Parts: sequence; structure tokens; C-alpha cells
Amino acid sequence: KAGVTQTPRYLIKTRGQQVTLSCSPISGHRSVSWYQQTPGQGLQFLFEYFSETQRNKGNFPGRFSGRQFSNSRSEMNVSTLELGDSALYLCASSLRTGQTQYFGPGTRLLVL
Amino acid sequence: ELKVEQNPLFLSMQEGKNYTIYCNYSTTSDRLYWYRQDPGKSLESLFVLLSNGAVKQEGRLMASLDTKARLSTLHITAAVHDLSATYFCAVENFGNEKLTFGTGTRLTIIP
Repeated sequence: KAGVTQTPRYLIKTRGQQVTLSCSPISGHRSVSWYQQTPGQGLQFLFEYFSETQRNKGNFPGRFSGRQFSNSRSEMNVSTLELGDSALYLCASSLRTGQTQYFGPGTRLLVL
Repeated sequence: ELKVEQNPLFLSMQEGKNYTIYCNYSTTSDRLYWYRQDPGKSLESLFVLLSNGAVKQEGRLMASLDTKARLSTLHITAAVHDLSATYFCAVENFGNEKLTFGTGTRLTIIP
């Protein structure tokens, strides 16, 4: 069974631009969560989607948004990029809430 | 707010030695996970611990959970170079998919 896939794997943007990251969960998994990993803040929860509904949201500004489609694929969007948004963005999927989350390879975003 | 603390942050040990990584969390939780991350890579699930006294072992790694003390340990036995990585514990509350991660322990095994 294929794992969680994320595209693109690497991205370079400039301040003020916006970016969209994509995540395809493991087949059959309906819950998708997003995390940001930085050297300074570590791993932080962004949001979680289940059946196209956002069920949990972390402490991030409104510039960070996401959505989930009917096939469980998810996207996250960051608008008006700041230098501090440079990070590894990880997507994780699980069958349902309370099941082990399996992580994708991540998208490494660099904001210049 | 749930806080998760891991120690040590850095661990350098010789091959063949034993050591333990500690993970403390601040509030009652339902599940505790251990993940491994290699440099530049994603997170690999190692263990899921669900109840007090749970112990799981895989190869040279053994994880345990004491919910009363709010403490989990990851014990490494007879370390080998392949175990060099960063290890994270993460805590999840039932009904909430959000994982709260510890700071990670960067483990380096020296030949």
C-alpha cells in the first residue's frame, strides 16, 4: 500500500507570495493532519481534517488555511509568506481519529 | 495546555551501551507515540502506547508508559550505529487528532 505523498517536495518563494501544498493520504485513510517543523519551534500542529471538515486547529495565524476534498486529499495554503514560514511541512494520515498517524516525506519551504 | 518534555536533548553514546530517553507530559493523555526521524527525512512510527504499564519492544528499542507518573521511556539496548537519529515522543488526547510533540532527542551512536 502506498504511503502518504506530498507535493511538491521542495519550494522556494519570496516574502509576500502565497503557496499551496498538497497531501494524498494512504488509501482508505480519512483523517489528514498538518504539522510545521522548524529548528526553533520544533513540531507544531497546524490543523486536522476529517470528511472534508476541519476539526482541530493549532495556534497559527489566519494566513494558514487548509481544506480536504471528497477523496480525502488535502491542501494547505499559506498567504502573504513571511521569512519565519520557512519550514518542513509534514502531512499525516490515519484511518480515523485515535489511530496511528503516518507521516509523509514533507514539503520543505524556503521563503526568501 | 498540554506540554511534553523530553530529555536529554542530545545523547552521544558508544556502540554496545544501554541508555534511556525520558518523556514527561503535563496532563492526562490517552495515547503516547514514539517516532524516529533521520536527517532530512520524515517521521517513522515506532510505538503506540495506550494504557498504563504498556510495554512494547522492537529489536533494540523498548518503550514503556506510566500514566500515573505521566512518563514514558524509550530504552536502547546494546546500541548500534543504525540507531543514530532523532527520537520524538508525542502525546494525543482521545477524540483529538492533534499530536503534541516533545523537543526530540538527537541520538548519535559512536563506533
